[in-house]
Amino acid sequence: NAGVTQTPKFRILKIGQSMTLQCTQDMNHNYMYWYRQDPGMGLKLIYYSVGAGITDKGEVPNGYNVSRSTTEDFPLRLELAAPSQTSVYFCASSYEPLGGELFFGEGSRLTVL
Amino acid sequence: LAKTTQPISMDSYEGQEVNITCSHNNIATNDYITWYQQFPSQGPRFIIQGYKTKVKNEVASLFIPADRKSSTLSLPRVSLSDTAVYYCLVGGPAGTALIFGKGTTLSVSS
Repeated sequence: NAGVTQTPKFRILKIGQSMTLQCTQDMNHNYMYWYRQDPGMGLKLIYYSVGAGITDKGEVPNGYNVSRSTTEDFPLRLELAAPSQTSVYFCASSYEPLGGELFFGEGSRLTVL
Repeated sequence: LAKTTQPISMDSYEGQEVNITCSHNNIATNDYITWYQQFPSQGPRFIIQGYKTKVKNEVASLFIPADRKSSTLSLPRVSLSDTAVYYCLVGGPAGTALIFGKGTTLSVSS
């Protein structure tokens, strides 16, 4: 199993551009999450999903959109990128609904200039 | 959503036992307590999870008192490679958001 795979690993965007961060897991996990981590800070939950077709907002959803059309994929869309969105983005998945073990991807480092 | 509070940082020396306490006063009945370790430029990695009393695995122990309003991660005989950020996460049933606290930066010196 590859686990949780995120692409791209690095990206530089100009202000106002849009892009999609891809996240794929091959563990048949129902629960998937997007977090962002600013330099020297903790993780902030952006969006999460409990299954295909079901998503919900986390702590910091503004400026982002998600979709979950399949169990495997959970892309994160950034619309009109702003410097405040410069961060490292982590995707995670879980098989256990009771706050179970989260499996994280390697992260996508995004810089908005 | 249960909010967690941890010390910002801790220092230790190799070979010592390290105990990191997390406060979660408004933990819900269905919430589990999970601890993660994060190295720079990597995603967090699962260490241990528990619901009540004591849980132990090959790398750590987790102590949870009867009221479950706090928990303590115990790392026996730390080494330099244990230098990392440790997060306490309190999570509940399906469909709930899993919110991380600020974490504790553990620095281990020789």
